[in-house]
Amino acid sequence: KAGVTQTPRYLIKTRGQQVTLSCSPISGHRSVSWYQQTPGQGLQFLFEYFSETQRNKGNFPGRFSGRQFSNSRSEMNVSTLELGDSALYLCASSFWGGEEKLFFGSGTQLSVL
Amino acid sequence: GIQVEQSPPDLILQEGANSTLRCNFSDSVNNLQWFHQNPWGQLINLFYIPSGTKQNGRLSATTVATERYSLLYISSSQTTDSGVYFCAVSKGGSEKLVFGKGTKLTVNP
Repeated sequence: KAGVTQTPRYLIKTRGQQVTLSCSPISGHRSVSWYQQTPGQGLQFLFEYFSETQRNKGNFPGRFSGRQFSNSRSEMNVSTLELGDSALYLCASSFWGGEEKLFFGSGTQLSVL
Repeated sequence: GIQVEQSPPDLILQEGANSTLRCNFSDSVNNLQWFHQNPWGQLINLFYIPSGTKQNGRLSATTVATERYSLLYISSSQTTDSGVYFCAVSKGGSEKLVFGKGTKLTVNP
């Protein structure tokens, strides 16, 4: 069974641009969540989607958005990039987002210049 | 919100040694997970353990929910155990975990 797949693995952008990251969950998993990891703030929850609906959102500005498709694949978008958005973005999936194990992808390393 | 504290922040071991990592949390939780982040950034789920004790090979974990802490034991450590170990908790499901800052483990040959 394939794990959580994230693309691209690395991304370099400049300030002001926008970026879209993609995540394919484990087959059968319907909950997809996103986390941002930085050296200063650690791992922080961005948002979670279940059945194409955003169920939870973390404390991030509106420049961060996401969506989920009918096949449970998810994308997150960051508009008007800032230097501080440089981070490892991790996607995770689970069957229903309840009290169960969470499985992470390898992440997308975003560098904003 | 819930606060998660992990100790020690750094740990250096010789191969073959045993270690205990601790996770304290500030409120009652019904979801607690341990992860290992390898040097390439991959987060591997080690245990889902909101209470009780579990074992998986050389690793075991114990969570005492009433006292708000969890312990991760690594026995006979190997160089491949190096990386950062994270504890993460939530009061609800797995969709909104709060992570500790991690314990960075270095196992030397």
